[in-house]
Formats: sequence, structure tokens, C-alpha cells
Amino acid sequence: GAGVSQSPRYKVAKRGQDVALRCDPISGHVSLFWYQQALGQGPEFLTYFQNEAQLDKSGLPSDRFFAERPEGSVSTLKIQRTQQEDSAVYLCASSKRSGLAGYTGELFFGEGSRLTVL
Amino acid sequence: AQRVTQPEKLLSVFKGAPVELKCNYSYSGSPELFWYVQYSRQRLQLLLRHISRESIKGFTADLNKGETSFHLKKPFAQEEDSAMYYCALRGGPYSGGGADGLTFGKGTHLIIQP
Repeated sequence: GAGVSQSPRYKVAKRGQDVALRCDPISGHVSLFWYQQALGQGPEFLTYFQNEAQLDKSGLPSDRFFAERPEGSVSTLKIQRTQQEDSAVYLCASSKRSGLAGYTGELFFGEGSRLTVL
Repeated sequence: AQRVTQPEKLLSVFKGAPVELKCNYSYSGSPELFWYVQYSRQRLQLLLRHISRESIKGFTADLNKGETSFHLKKPFAQEEDSAMYYCALRGGPYSGGGADGLTFGKGTHLIIQP
């Protein structure tokens, strides 16, 4: 597809369950970002990959959150032992890398995965 | 730490009236500023960036370093402008995501009344 694809679009989990959210970025985009957007808030940075390397995970709220991008393309955000405060929309974005031809600074977002923890 | 502030959670104006969505930032260096928009049931997408100095869908935004502001303006609002608008800053390595990441404001919900 032409855009960033995320799945599932909606996920309801019982407190304590593990969840996995998938992001398929635009082909050829080196940079991949995960953001968390709580209700009524702007997107908050979680983590950043350049190819398969996770260069920044400073925004992950706890060690229950884990992200990977093993082959430098698809990424998975995993949340273990979900809590009610994890309820949010999780956004994935991709971009070309700064300094490379065609870089504009634009992040391309997916539609998000809405997680509700009961 | 860098920060983006959008003081209005909700802004309602009538069709044809001027619109100004406020954005202030704090950053010690030279930032890149962006406006992103999210229409109902659509994904977040770039509206404009200060470097391009462009007008998109009639919207313009000027970076004022003295006032650390990047307000979004449109002289005559249209109903299709109703959406969530987010101001975002790309700063340095502390923005979250190295030099490529963005820090977002909390957003302003713009409603254009007929």
C-alpha cells in the first residue's frame, strides 16, 4: 500500500493481558516512530528506529513497553500486563532519513491502533 | 526541555470569518515548526512547515522567533477546515527521536459554523 498501515485498528484488552500492535511503514522509509495519544492530548513520543536499530526509547513509560523492528521494515509495539492507563491511540509514523535525497522533514502517520484496557 | 503550547483546546468561528490558531514554543536553538491536521476519521497529516513558506488550503503561518510563536492563520474560514490542528516542533536530539522526531502540542479543535 501507499501509506503507513497499522493493525489492529481497535483492540480491547482485559487488565493484565499482553497486546501487540503492528506497524508497516512506507516502503523505503528508514525512520520509524511510535507515539502514544491519550484522549484530548497531542501525540507523545515513545520510541524511534532507524532501520532495525532502536536509537531512542526514552519515551517508553515503563518496562512493560517493548518495541522491535528486526528487519528494518515492519515494527511491533508490545505492551505486557496492560493497565487501564495504557488506554490510548498508538500512532506509528515513518519518514525518510534527514540528510538523504528527498527528505522533507514530513512524518507520515498511520491511522493508529486504539487500545482500550478494561 | 522543548515544549509546544497551544492555548486553545477549542476554537469556533463562523464560515467566512478569519481564523487564527495560536502556537508558542520553547526551544533554545533554531527549530523547525510544522502544522499537522487531522480531519474527522482521517489520519494525521502535514499541513505546512515554516521552512517552505507556503500557503496550503489558504492557511499560512509565520515563525516569529522574538515571540517564539508560529500561529496558523486563514483570512476566510470554510466549513471543510473543521478539524484538529496540531503544532509541532523539530528540535535537536532531545526532541524524542533524535534529529528527526517531533514534539507536538495538545491540539486545537477548530469548528467552522455555517
